[in-house]
Parts: sequence; structure tokens; C-alpha cells
Amino acid sequence: DGGITQSPKYLFRKEGQNVTLSCEQNLNHDAMYWYRQDPGQGLRLIYYSQIVNDFQKGDIAEGYSVSREKKESFPLTVTSAQKNPTAFYLCASSTLPGTGGYEQFFGPGTRLTVL
Amino acid sequence: AQSVSQHNHHVILSEAASLELGCNYSYGGTVNLFWYVQYPGQHLQLLLKYFSGDPLVKGIKGFEAEFIKSKFSFNLRKPSVQWSDTAEYFCAVNPLGTNAGKSTFGDGTTLTVKP
Repeated sequence: DGGITQSPKYLFRKEGQNVTLSCEQNLNHDAMYWYRQDPGQGLRLIYYSQIVNDFQKGDIAEGYSVSREKKESFPLTVTSAQKNPTAFYLCASSTLPGTGGYEQFFGPGTRLTVL
Repeated sequence: AQSVSQHNHHVILSEAASLELGCNYSYGGTVNLFWYVQYPGQHLQLLLKYFSGDPLVKGIKGFEAEFIKSKFSFNLRKPSVQWSDTAEYFCAVNPLGTNAGKSTFGDGTTLTVKP
């Protein structure tokens, strides 16, 4: 089955700890995205990447970091600098813009709770 | 900066009622427009998209949307809703050109259909 996998589904961390969320896709998509979803606020873009070894900040990148060493993988690290990290995190992928409308395919999400 | 505004946060309808969800965006360049849906317990998935051509686009499950460029709007419609349409609906804008990939989502509209 082609799709996007995110792990873990639930994640708990203590304040002051960094934590890395996994995202893998086997859709052969060039572009990948990370969003944060909070109740009543929709999805907000954290980082996105259109090619290996390159990525751009989204609207709320502060306190987060990413890497794109492989086309299939786009891990997100929530650092201790993120002031309010408790949220639902969604990963997505798409073809590149300009190819008939680059719809995004979403993973199941990771719910992060900071204790 | 681009933005997306969804007019209704929560809509409650009876089965067979007609639905229209408003979406307006602000962006100075060319965009692709999307409606995504998140059914309870499921992944976010594409409902329909507009990227060029006929401004009236049809999606899955009888949904359609009309792009009115002069009004920067992309409203979602369905003539007769069903209980199974209960879900959260998100409008999204994906710019082309320089900012390609920097997606913006609306805050979402929760639709509850009463049987």
C-alpha cells in the first residue's frame, strides 16, 4: 500500500527534552510538509521541503527543526525551545507544484503531550 | 502574507438540507485551491481541487466548489447532505511561483448532520 506513515501515534515528553517525530512516504513524492493542528486553528505549516537536502520555514518554524536526507523521510524535531509543543502533528507529501495541482496526502498524525 | 478565511466554524444541518461552506483567501499571485475533509477517526483527505480551467469543480461524494477569482472565493457546496458527511472541512491555498509549497489552511468548519 502506498502512503505516509508517522510514528509514534502518541508521544509523551518531559519539559526541556527534545523529541523527534518520524514521517516516511512511499509515494515517490518530491515535496513533504509538517503541520501543527490545534483545536479551532486549522493546520499551520511548520516546515516544507521540495528536494532532498533542502527545506524552507513555514509560518511557525520557531522551536522546530527538520532534515531531508532521503526523499522518503522528513523527520521533525520538537526542541525544548518550542514554548507550547503539546499538539497534533501532521505530515504530508505531494508532487511538485505546477503538475496539475499539487494535492497533499496526509499521514495519520502524532499527538505529542508535554508533561 | 497569504491567508484563508472560512466563514463558519460549526454548521449543523438536517439530512437532505443543502450545504454551502464559505472560503475566501488573500494572495497576490496564482494559486491552486483545495478542500480537504477529515471524517471522524480518519486521515485528512482531498475532497476536490481547482488548478485551472472550468471554475466549477466536482469532487467526491457529490461535493462541488466554484472558484470566483474576482471575489477570491472558493465556496464548497452540496445539494443534499447525508449523515455520513459529518466531518471537519478545511479550505487550503497553495501558491505557485516563488512561494510554491507554502500552503495555508483555513481554521476549518465542523459539519454535523442530524439524521
